[in-house]
Amino acid sequence: AQKITQTQPGMFVQEKEAVTLDCTYDTSDPSYGLFWYKQPSSGEMIFLIYQGSYDQQNATEGRYSLNFQKARKSANLVISASQLGDSAMYFCAMRRPRGGYNKLIFGAGTRLAVHP
Amino acid sequence: NAGVTQTPKFQVLKTGQSMTLQCAQDMNHNSMYWYRQDPGMGLRLIYYSASEGTTDKGEVPNGYNVSRLNKREFSLRLESAAPSQTSVYFCASSDTGSIMNTEAFFGQGTRLTVV
Repeated sequence: AQKITQTQPGMFVQEKEAVTLDCTYDTSDPSYGLFWYKQPSSGEMIFLIYQGSYDQQNATEGRYSLNFQKARKSANLVISASQLGDSAMYFCAMRRPRGGYNKLIFGAGTRLAVHP
Repeated sequence: NAGVTQTPKFQVLKTGQSMTLQCAQDMNHNSMYWYRQDPGMGLRLIYYSASEGTTDKGEVPNGYNVSRLNKREFSLRLESAAPSQTSVYFCASSDTGSIMNTEAFFGQGTRLTVV
């Protein structure tokens, strides 16, 4: 069965520093997609970044980058130059095709606090 | 562009009562999902639907039923609410098929309390 594991319930970082949020996954499918979402205190889910299992390069979106290590089945999110507005819950998610459609499964999340 | 719209935003039920959470999307997506979010457990998939007329169980389907009324709408029904169903419920939609890199879009959530 597919599974997403986020081992850090909470993290904190100083403003302007970089932080890495860990995510490991388990699947036997060769084709899958990995996503990171941000959930601020207001509750909405905000898509941040995507990495496909066949992508040769690590994904980047502005201050967000994904450290994808396929052999280790890890997809860590790196946030550079942290800002106070980055304080939020962060969820790693995986999608894989199954029966012709995509099932999206989430990890338990990591709460990030950015300190001034 | 409304995206994914969920109603209601808040609801308090008594144990044993029933209710339906409504969800509609205007992005012409094939797949729709219902999740529940509990502290320390992330988002857990309740049911999902690949297309109109099809539904399938997720990780935690017990106590819930769903209906994919048409391509736009996907409702979640609690037939006999229990305190264990107190949670925040999210509806989401996305493209499907061979398209892997399209993200899911989420509604604003429904905070449900069962007393």
